[in-house]
Amino acid sequence: GESVGLHLPTLSVQEGDNSIINCAYSNSASDYFIWYKQESGKGPQFIIDIRSNMDKRQGQRVTVLLNKTVKHLSLQIAATQPGDSAVYFCAENGDSGAGSYQLTFGKGTKLSVIP
Amino acid sequence: DAGVTQSPTHLIKTRGQQVTLRCSPKSGHDTVSWYQQALGQGPQFIFQYYEEEERQRGNFPDRFSGHQFPNYSSELNVNALLLGDSALYLCASNSGRGETQYFGPGTRLLVL
Repeated sequence: GESVGLHLPTLSVQEGDNSIINCAYSNSASDYFIWYKQESGKGPQFIIDIRSNMDKRQGQRVTVLLNKTVKHLSLQIAATQPGDSAVYFCAENGDSGAGSYQLTFGKGTKLSVIP
Repeated sequence: DAGVTQSPTHLIKTRGQQVTLRCSPKSGHDTVSWYQQALGQGPQFIFQYYEEEERQRGNFPDRFSGHQFPNYSSELNVNALLLGDSALYLCASNSGRGETQYFGPGTRLLVL
């Protein structure tokens, strides 16, 4: 049976290095994308978003890149810190046409920062 | 400015029972969505409420129902609980004109 979800992709990085987390999305009609950070025992926390009419957006220490041609998103974290250790999810937000915005999440990547 | 709040934080039920989970949206938000997150997986959309009506529904059975009150708070009800309903239940809110959904801390439900 499907067990991929029980074994999250894991990325281990040294403190101070840059991290790159990748995500493939499925719906070519999606026009809005969000990265969330989820720490153990907590709800997802908004990090950064990007619309489909952009290919790059920068925040504080984070950058999101969008490649619509191959339906790929990436999250870059500069100077990774121990507090960045968490599971990171990308989510696509496609308007169903009813004016609502259902979020569809990827499987997540676990980031572990080595002090 | 209070964020999204949920209650209770943890809950233990037995198979066949019914459960009600509660959510208060972030101040200024009028839309509430519910998600189920199984261990090690991403959240799965259950349904969304706006103006006290279910606006969109994911692939969940009718055992899952909800309600939104005039003050925009919301409840998720699950009837005839199954072991597979054990999960973290997340509530998210946004304003009708915004797309970014902000999540609460979740309710951890364990069905024995």
